[in-house]
Amino acid sequence: QLQLQESGPGLVKPSETLSLTCTVSGASINSGSYFWGWIRQPPGKGLEWIGDIYYTGDTYYNPSLKSRLSMSGDSSRNKFSLKLSSVTAADTAVYYCASRRPGGASSFVSWGQGTLVTVSS
Amino acid sequence: DIQLTQSPSFLSASGGDRVTITCRASQDISSYLAWYQQKPGKAPKLLIYAASTLQSGVPSRFSGSGSGTEFALTITNLQPEDFATYYCQQLNSYPFTFGPGTKVDVK
Repeated sequence: QLQLQESGPGLVKPSETLSLTCTVSGASINSGSYFWGWIRQPPGKGLEWIGDIYYTGDTYYNPSLKSRLSMSGDSSRNKFSLKLSSVTAADTAVYYCASRRPGGASSFVSWGQGTLVTVSS
Repeated sequence: DIQLTQSPSFLSASGGDRVTITCRASQDISSYLAWYQQKPGKAPKLLIYAASTLQSGVPSRFSGSGSGTEFALTITNLQPEDFATYYCQQLNSYPFTFGPGTKVDVK
């Protein structure tokens, strides 16, 4: 069974870089069966897609975050990561990692439990 | 970006009811639409993909329909565990976008 788990600091200072890692079990991030994505949800608000990475290393970013965003994969540890620079209070959110099926069945089929990241001094 | 609107934003219902939530896209997204259920403090759960395909393990009282720009999620015989917030998401083109959500609450 595919499982994902986010990890990283729960508190980040304004203007610093938010870094999160997603550990995947039950599938290889190199398999090509999924895209690996990040979605966030500010407290009490809706969902925002952040970006995807594929096993080829190709990345797809939300244009609203693209200038501050970097995603990467580590196939040796079966993890993928997110870095968001120059954060502000508006980046405070629960961050989820998730696996996305490609093609006609495209959808985020498995999700991590989410991790709350607060941006505050 | 493709905008998604959902209606209603809030819905009060009773157990056993049949409820329908609609999702409208700002442009044609074919059938690249998914529906998710989210309960407080939990990650979203995939219910429907490709507009009308039930995700494995999801009860058959959930169904999806539509294509192009108009979509619907229907829950028949509403169960206590179905009270939650529901989101649609388009996966036709980047950036993927979500609808604002519909909260289904107890009448």
